[in-house]
Amino acid sequence: DIVMTQSPDSLAVSLGERATINCKSSQSLLFGSNKQNYLSWYQQKPGQPPKLLIYWASTRESGVPDRFSGSGSGTDFTLTISSLQAEDVAVYYCHQYYSSPFTFGPGTKVDI
Amino acid sequence: QVQLVQSGAEMRKPGASVKVSCKASGYTFTNYYIHWVRQAPGQRPEWMGWIKGGSGDSNYSPKFQVRVSFSTDTSANTVYMEMSSLRFEDTATYYCARSGLPYCDATGCYTAEYFQHWGQGTLVAVSS
Repeated sequence: DIVMTQSPDSLAVSLGERATINCKSSQSLLFGSNKQNYLSWYQQKPGQPPKLLIYWASTRESGVPDRFSGSGSGTDFTLTISSLQAEDVAVYYCHQYYSSPFTFGPGTKVDI
Repeated sequence: QVQLVQSGAEMRKPGASVKVSCKASGYTFTNYYIHWVRQAPGQRPEWMGWIKGGSGDSNYSPKFQVRVSFSTDTSANTVYMEMSSLRFEDTATYYCARSGLPYCDATGCYTAEYFQHWGQGTLVAVSS
């Protein structure tokens, strides 16, 4: 199984400041045939299902504010919130869909 | 708009079975995979497997292969997840989630097993 790790476990950021979350996979998520990284990011608030933010490592889902961005390739990925808003307080998960069984990172809690 | 509506909360005793439904609307049911993901309290989501709407083709995580079965009713745009031999540690919220649009380029089309749309979740509590 591909093991996903995230850092930090939690972080507190002032309103308007940048938040950076790192995700690492135990093997490359870059598929040779289409040159895509099979990595997505989700935001989860209490009592709600996860919400898709980013897929193919850097493609923002429709309707997601452009302060959210994804980057990275291979085994190292980053989710950046460029200017933290109050509504961004949540847990963020990375997820690999390169190979079954698909796996999630342990999550990063973002607070103000 | 795409909607996935799941059945309500369930309580079972250890050793019993449970069946959760997920009714899809707002898209062509047979064109996408439906995944099942569970999340125990305070834990990361855990992928259980997928079923293709319409064909019934399925793929299970090895962890759940023995105790879990997916099925589909194309006439009702509904998929089902049944888990048997329930244990206390199966207490979790169970989600269905629809896959994304396939990625297509000059080299071909590739399935996109990220989870673009989610059901509201179904709490399954296992208690004696």
